[in-house]
Amino acid sequence: DTGVSQDPRHKITKRGQNVTFRCDPISEHNRLYWYRQTLGQGPEFLTYFQNEAQLEKSRLLSDRFSAERPKGSFSTLEIQRTEQGDSAMYLCASSTSYEQYFGPGTRLTVT
Amino acid sequence: AQSVTQPDIHITVSEGASLELRCNYSYGATPYLFWYVQSPGQGLQLLLKYFSGDTLVQGIKGFEAEFKRSQSSFNLRKPSVHWSDAAEYFCAVLMEYGNKLVFGAGTILRVKS
Repeated sequence: DTGVSQDPRHKITKRGQNVTFRCDPISEHNRLYWYRQTLGQGPEFLTYFQNEAQLEKSRLLSDRFSAERPKGSFSTLEIQRTEQGDSAMYLCASSTSYEQYFGPGTRLTVT
Repeated sequence: AQSVTQPDIHITVSEGASLELRCNYSYGATPYLFWYVQSPGQGLQLLLKYFSGDTLVQGIKGFEAEFKRSQSSFNLRKPSVHWSDAAEYFCAVLMEYGNKLVFGAGTILRVKS
């Protein structure tokens, strides 16, 4: 049974550059979530997809952030014009109901 | 809005000693409650969950948690801690029919030999 996978695991970028992260959920899971975790904090919800529809977005998701799940399978999270405050771990999770299973995360460092 | 409080930022226990990590939540209806564990640089692993029914729930790795509605608590326990249990533990609440988890700030567990 393959778990949630995320790519890349680590990303270092310069301020002002665009970055894109990918998440592959567990294959039969129709729900997909993105969270952001900063040092010393618990994960914070960013957005949620059911199949290909983006149904909920947090106020944390500024207009520089965009997420897609084009065919209801994998998802991408893009951050445009990165800022140092975007440095964090970006976690993806998937589920079929209430139990969410997390991937290993993508650690973003903006220099 | 629902919230989760984990009062202890760090806890240190001796290997073989018992463990209790505290979690309090704020939510009007019956919450769906979870404990996750995170090793350094890794994602979160689900330890256990409470939806309804028996208030004492068993999880993986020998962990259990007890839901106490009167105290709005969902504390995590383990009778005998192993060195491999050193990690960060997060309590989370999911609103019924909701789609997002709200997490506490986490408790870092250190195990001394």
